[in-house]
Amino acid sequence: GAGVSQTPSNKVTEKGKYVELRCDPISGHTALYWYRQSLGQGPEFLIYFQGTGAADDSGLPNDRFFAVRPEGSVSTLKIQRTERGDSAVYLCASSSPGQGGTEAFFGQGTRLTVV
Amino acid sequence: EDQVTQSPEALRLQEGESSSLNCSYTVSGLRGLFWYRQDPGKGPEFLFTLYSAGEEKEKERLKATLTKKESFLHITAPKPEDSATYLCAVLGSSGTYKYIFGTGTRLKVLA
Repeated sequence: GAGVSQTPSNKVTEKGKYVELRCDPISGHTALYWYRQSLGQGPEFLIYFQGTGAADDSGLPNDRFFAVRPEGSVSTLKIQRTERGDSAVYLCASSSPGQGGTEAFFGQGTRLTVV
Repeated sequence: EDQVTQSPEALRLQEGESSSLNCSYTVSGLRGLFWYRQDPGKGPEFLFTLYSAGEEKEKERLKATLTKKESFLHITAPKPEDSATYLCAVLGSSGTYKYIFGTGTRLKVLA
């Protein structure tokens, strides 16, 4: 596609439920990132994939958060036993570092609300 | 630890009133400094990449500059449509692609 696509745009879930957020990166981009942004804050790093593998998952806040990218393209961020503190905008980005492209391009985000 | 501090937090300008936004950073080996624009309810939109001190990039009314400790985003004769949050991010040479963002500057340009 032309840009990074994230679905859904908005997700409201009850505390304790499981959610999945999807990211479709720019075609050909090998690197994919998940960030979380709270109101009035800058994006906070969660995880970075190079190809199918998680090259850096140091930003995942705890073991309720997990992300996969099984075929090196689409990625899914999974959150178990959601808590109200998980409410935020989850941003996905992609880049092509192997081709000299250090800049990351972001999707429009998924606004997650845990009630 | 890599850090980015942006100032001011918020800025109100009259249309045509030029100003600068600041991004101070500490990083162990700079691989790139990035400026993004973010509109409410949208994801960050890429503006510029700067790689080394002395480098400058321009796009319409925006010009980004870089020194060894900070970057400036100069806005010349802004228009109301320039109103947005401007984010600065750095990528260090730690071996991983972890972009560290500042908290942004919320710019409001009044007609």
